[in-house]
Amino acid sequence: SQKIEQNSEALNIQEGKTATLTCNYTNYSPAYLQWYRQDPGRGPVFLLLIRENEKEKRKERLKVTFDTTLKQSLFHITASQPADSATYLCALYTGGFKTIFGAGTRLFVKA
Amino acid sequence: GAGVSQTPSNKVTEKGKYVELRCDPISGHTALYWYRQSLGQGPEFLIYFQGTGAADDSGLPNDRFFAVRPEGSVSTLKIQRTERGDSAVYLCASSSSDSVSDTQYFGPGTRLTVL
Repeated sequence: SQKIEQNSEALNIQEGKTATLTCNYTNYSPAYLQWYRQDPGRGPVFLLLIRENEKEKRKERLKVTFDTTLKQSLFHITASQPADSATYLCALYTGGFKTIFGAGTRLFVKA
Repeated sequence: GAGVSQTPSNKVTEKGKYVELRCDPISGHTALYWYRQSLGQGPEFLIYFQGTGAADDSGLPNDRFFAVRPEGSVSTLKIQRTERGDSAVYLCASSSSDSVSDTQYFGPGTRLTVL
């Protein structure tokens, strides 16, 4: 069956460290993958998109990698700050108009 | 400018009742999506509109769910004979074109509770 897996356990890190979040998928061949941030009581906010022919994408303190052989994307936040604390969702586009979201990973950055 | 707005922010209803949830997309955005998000889960696709027409309604769970967008801007998600399992946050998103890779801008959602 088709699955998107993100760490269900929260990730706790110290301010200034790099946070690394994982998104694994099975039985999909996504044309691209997106990462979103979601704060409690809010809708998701788009962060980055990476296409299947791209290995890495950067935006300010954010970096995303996409390995279609491993069927995995890694999302990195460098020099993390308490304001980065949120839930991070990965989402796949596999065709048509449908985006498939993972359940998200909660990140807590301690000062 | 204004983002995507959704009303009401919270809706409590009784099992078997009919509810309507409204989405006001960003002005000029032609694409509009509805999602449902249960606690601890990611958003689940329900339906996609391009202009006034539903281009993909494959995510609607059953025929109790229906959505319209008569003038290509505001959309209403309608749920008949609500069930307790319909309780969730209903999210709306819009984007500026019909390219699925275009950024989707989400509203804050409507929290629906069916008692």
